[in-house]
Amino acid sequence: DTAVSQTPKYLVTQMGNDKSIKCEQNLGHDTMYWYKQDSKKFLKIMFSYNNKELIINETVPNRFSPKSPDKAHLNLHINSLELGDSAVYFCASRTSGHKNTEAFFGQGTRLTVV
Amino acid sequence: GEDVEQSLFLSVREGDSSVINCTYTDSSSTYLYWYKQEPGAGLQLLTYIFSNMDMKQDQRLTVLLNKKDKHLSLRIADTQTGDSAIYFCAESPLYGQNFVFGPGTRLSVLP
Repeated sequence: DTAVSQTPKYLVTQMGNDKSIKCEQNLGHDTMYWYKQDSKKFLKIMFSYNNKELIINETVPNRFSPKSPDKAHLNLHINSLELGDSAVYFCASRTSGHKNTEAFFGQGTRLTVV
Repeated sequence: GEDVEQSLFLSVREGDSSVINCTYTDSSSTYLYWYKQEPGAGLQLLTYIFSNMDMKQDQRLTVLLNKKDKHLSLRIADTQTGDSAIYFCAESPLYGQNFVFGPGTRLSVLP
């Protein structure tokens, strides 16, 4: 069973379009993240949700809007896509608390804006 | 806020040991992780250590932590070609939500 699953795995779209990436985790975790990995492989946190509430919102254009309908899902909607949005987007989840909690990652969504 | 730094590239010969270094800035109690990313794949947890520990060993992997210098290293013994990947150091404070990654070290294993 896949622990953290993202769809789609690949997404090619034109500039100006609006697209969504979905993420689901079946681990019972209460915290979910979106990361962007650029062409240099740097991983930058974009958002973090804990129990469906936004906890971390890094400097990300407001064209990016996360939505967490429940603890198991964190979707990412992107409006008016730009060439610079091309990257691999990773979803992750973990349990918050006072002991070690590794983050489990999805396989990534490779977004290409043309 | 937290900041994690790593050297970007490392090349070793097959059979040698690899040592990947990382420095972090968070002064609170924190967990430190090593993740591996193979080409085209997601991130896989290799090992982790809590900031009150000095060392952790797991088969070919040895993690050393110098708390005073906030320096973390990952040693891979008998490095194989299958170890070629990007290795990310990550930090997460004990009671925080943030999970910050370093820039990743690209390990190349030469035959």
